[in-house]
Amino acid sequence: DSGVTQTPKHLITATGQRVTLRCSPRSGDLSVYWYQQSLDQGLQFLIQYYNGEERAKGNILERFSAQQFPDLHSELNLSSLELGDSALYFCASSGLANTGELFFGEGSRLTVL
Amino acid sequence: QKEVEQDPGPLSVPEGAIVSLNCTYSNSAFQYFMWYRQYSRKGPELLMYTYSSGNKEDGRFTAQVDKSSKYISLFIRDSQPSDSATYLCAMTRNQGGKLIFGQGTELSVKP
Repeated sequence: DSGVTQTPKHLITATGQRVTLRCSPRSGDLSVYWYQQSLDQGLQFLIQYYNGEERAKGNILERFSAQQFPDLHSELNLSSLELGDSALYFCASSGLANTGELFFGEGSRLTVL
Repeated sequence: QKEVEQDPGPLSVPEGAIVSLNCTYSNSAFQYFMWYRQYSRKGPELLMYTYSSGNKEDGRFTAQVDKSSKYISLFIRDSQPSDSATYLCAMTRNQGGKLIFGQGTELSVKP
């Protein structure tokens, strides 16, 4: 158990809908990262937050947004969903003594029908 | 061209074999190199961590980094069925920065 909690584990929705994925980082970790994993693209970096502030942005679509709250949990919002958004979405966290190791949750599997 | 290239496999070997997994990269600014292991339906977990060029050994696992060739490797000795997983290389320019992952190599070790 990495200590990173993601909900929901599975989500099935329709095209055009909006969903919110939630992540609770390990106790004390200030950084939260979101990744998308699909069969053809592998693990793609979406966005990083550090103590509530956006730190880095990757290939995140404009239809997607994220935030980190004062209690350090984070949410990833996906809107106007398309079939191609079906993927595993991972949250990871790291601490102050970050050596580069990320602790990953078990992911949220999104299926868009 | 992707920043990090990794052969997705799948790779199937008999138990006890030596496994070699590799990645190449294009960004010379990468300084921290990692290997993550991902079991089916689980999140990736850190297996090996190396800074700059050189070798690092941990039990049956050895990680090698050759920055001059922009090439990293992971060797698994005496492979076990429990090693069956997807192995992802990852790298970053600085500590605390975003990790860039390879596509992952699916490994199956047959008893």
